[in-house]
This record gives sequence, C-alpha cells and structure tokens, in this order.
Amino acid sequence: GDSVTQMEGPVTLSEEAFLTINCTYTATGYPSLFWYVQYPGEGLQLLLKATKADDKGSNKGFEATYRKETTSFHLEKGSVQVSDSAVYFCALGSIYNQGGKLIFGQGTELSVKP
Amino acid sequence: NAGVTQTPKFQVLKTGQSMTLQCAQDMNHEYMSWYRQDPGMGLRLIHYSVGAGITDQGEVPNGYNVSRSTTEDFPLRLLSAAPSQTSVYFCASSPSGTAKNIQYFGAGTRLSVL
Repeated sequence: GDSVTQMEGPVTLSEEAFLTINCTYTATGYPSLFWYVQYPGEGLQLLLKATKADDKGSNKGFEATYRKETTSFHLEKGSVQVSDSAVYFCALGSIYNQGGKLIFGQGTELSVKP
Repeated sequence: NAGVTQTPKFQVLKTGQSMTLQCAQDMNHEYMSWYRQDPGMGLRLIHYSVGAGITDQGEVPNGYNVSRSTTEDFPLRLLSAAPSQTSVYFCASSPSGTAKNIQYFGAGTRLSVL
C-alpha cells in the first residue's frame, strides 16, 4: 500500500541555519504531495503542496519539489527562524482515494534556537 | 472564521467509560475524517465520511463508531474506552473535487484513558 517515510527527529538548529527534512513515498499512480505543519498546541495546517512531478510548492520561505524519479518531496528552507519551531508532516493524497484521505509520515519535530 | 471546531479540548476517562468527541465544520465541505496522533506514528485514519449518511472505516477503526447525519457534524464515539485509546484526536474536512486532498484540521482533543 501507499506509505510515507520521513527523517526522524528531533532536529535542532540555530537561527538562520539551512533546513532540510527528507521525505520519501511509495504510491501507485501519481499522488499529490503535501507538507503540513503543527505548531505547539494546535492542529495541522497546510504549508505547501505539489500535484505533479517536477512541481515546486512554496510558502513562507519553505520549498519542496516533487521528484518522481527518486520518489521524494524534501522540505527546505534557507534560513530558519525561532518561529519555525514546530512538527512537520509529509503527506500523500491519491487521486483514486475516496474522501480526500491523506497518508502521513511520522512527523519531524524542529526546534530552532536563538 | 470558525473552520473546524472540536470539543472538548481535553478529556480524562476511566477504562470502560464511553464518550463522544464532537466535530463541526462551517465550510460546507463534503468530506470529513477522524485521525489519531501517537508519538512516532504520525496521524492514522480512524473513520471518514464522503457525505451526509455515508461513512467508512480507515486504518484503525476498532473501538470507534461514527455517524454523519448532517454535512456540518461528524462525531466520534468511543464505546468502551481502553488505555490504548489514549491519544490526540484530530478531525479534518475537505471539499470534494480537485481540492479534496487539502484538509483543514481542528485543534484536536487530547484524551487520556486511565
């Protein structure tokens, strides 16, 4: 079945450091890929998305490119801030599924120190 | 801008007790889902609904019931709580069509079963 694998955390960085969170997936067909972010005490919110191969999603300085050849969707940011501290989830959504269901990776906790 | 509203935010139950987690959305979304979040496991789908009167099981449905009598509401019932159901529960909704995988999440219900 479809699955998503993320790099394990927690990840601790200093402010202004470069961030990469790895995400790889297994899926039949051509899924849509997402990054969701969960700030402390809150629900998940969509950070960015890509719906087809070679698409680049971007938002708030974060970027991720849909790489079909490596089945990856790595999240990057050039200069992190303390306010980026959160848990990041990579997710997959199939066009074949009913109800908009998503398959999530296990989440990666990011802590940014001043 | 209510979006997806979950109640209660926190709950403590004793083993064997029953309760209902409430979820309501005001975006007229057709699709609604319940997930549970456990450390190191990401979010796992419990039940989902593609419209009023239509529900189906997700990955981890045992011990939970759902119904959907209106578009707005999608309650999750724990029939006889067990310690293994200690978790954070998230309700999500999404529109039908091409945006079906873009899910909007509530703030969550943190449940402890003693």
